[in-house]
This record gives sequence, C-alpha cells and structure tokens, in this order.
Amino acid sequence: KQEVTQIPAALSVPEGENLVLNCSFTDSAIYNLQWFRQDPGKGLTSLLLIQSSQREQTSGRLNASLDKSSGRSTLYIAASQPGDSATYLCAVGKETSGSRLTFGEGTQLTVNP
Amino acid sequence: DAGVIQSPRHEVTEMGQEVTLRCKPISGHNSLFWYRQTMMRGLELLIYFNNNVPIDDSGMPEDRFSAKMPNASFSTLKIQPSEPRDSAVYFCASSKLQGSQHFGDGTRLSIL
Repeated sequence: KQEVTQIPAALSVPEGENLVLNCSFTDSAIYNLQWFRQDPGKGLTSLLLIQSSQREQTSGRLNASLDKSSGRSTLYIAASQPGDSATYLCAVGKETSGSRLTFGEGTQLTVNP
Repeated sequence: DAGVIQSPRHEVTEMGQEVTLRCKPISGHNSLFWYRQTMMRGLELLIYFNNNVPIDDSGMPEDRFSAKMPNASFSTLKIQPSEPRDSAVYFCASSKLQGSQHFGDGTRLSIL
C-alpha cells in the first residue's frame, strides 16, 4: 500500500526566504506526482503535475522535482511571500491508473511579513 | 472558465437523515472524483468515474454511501442513513483523463 509522508508538518519563515518542502513515497511504481495548495475553508488548487518520466516542473516561483527511484519529491518556493501561506499537499498517482491519488498529510506554511 | 461546482457548501442534519451532495465537473473533463477530508484521516479518495462509469469505489466506507454520475455534467454522493462519524468535508474533483485534478470548494457536512 502506498504511503506518502511530508516533512515538515509545519514551517514558519520570514518573507523573502527561499524554502523547500519535502515529500516521500514508499512505492516507486507511480504514474505521476502532483503538488497542491489548500487555503483554509477552500478546496485544493493544483500547482504542478510531474509525470513519472519527468524530473522537474516549474511554474513561476515554484519548482518541483521528482526522483522516482528514491521515492522523493521536493517543492521549492523562491522568494516567499505572505500570500504563499497555505497548506501544501503532495499526491502520487498509481501506475497504470494515474487517476487514483494517494495524498500526504501536508505541510502548513506560514510566511511572515 | 467555471471551476468544479459543489452544493451545498454547508449541510447540518440529524443522524439517520439522508444526505445528498452534488457536483458539476469542469466541462470537457472525463474523470470525476469524490474525496473526504478529516483531521484524523486526511484526504481520502472515495470513488472515481471515467466517462461516467465508476472505476474504483474501494474507498467507499460502507453500503450507506453511494455515488452516481448520470451524465458528464453531474454527479451525486448520497449517504443514507447518515451517522455522526460521517461528519467531514467532502470534495469533488475533475480532470481530463490522467491530467491534473481540479477541486471544488467542498461541502462541509455535520451530522448531529
């Protein structure tokens, strides 16, 4: 059974700092990996989707990497802003299906002005 | 573009009552997912559909839960009878086949 772990569970940083969120998964037979953010009382917003054949994806100040063989992904946020404060979730898609996602418990990020 | 639309946003009802949650996916998306989020268990997939056909319902907790997708633009998740332990936030999401999933704002369900 796939297990997804995110470290740290919570992170508080000053504005402007670069930061890294970590995600690890136990079964490397994945189809894809997706990073989401969730704001309080809201649904999840998709940030980046990495297919299993890819090593990284970038969108603006966000960069996600994937090392499938070691079961790890990182989300790098450059020049953090208070608006980045949210919970960030990592989810892995099962091989051959891709659709069935297993989620980590998330990292709660606070960026202080 | 309209996102995934869920209704109601909040539902409070008494134990034993039937609850129906509704979802309108993004037009053109082939896959639809129902999730449940609680503090204790995090985000769990209940069921998903491809092209209106249920593909994997292994996450549906009990026979009290049922889901339907009568057409490409509408799905329901029904709980009958409801119990206090069903209290959670229920999310609907949609995607193109094996694409990134887009979530609605959820239905916050409280069973008294």
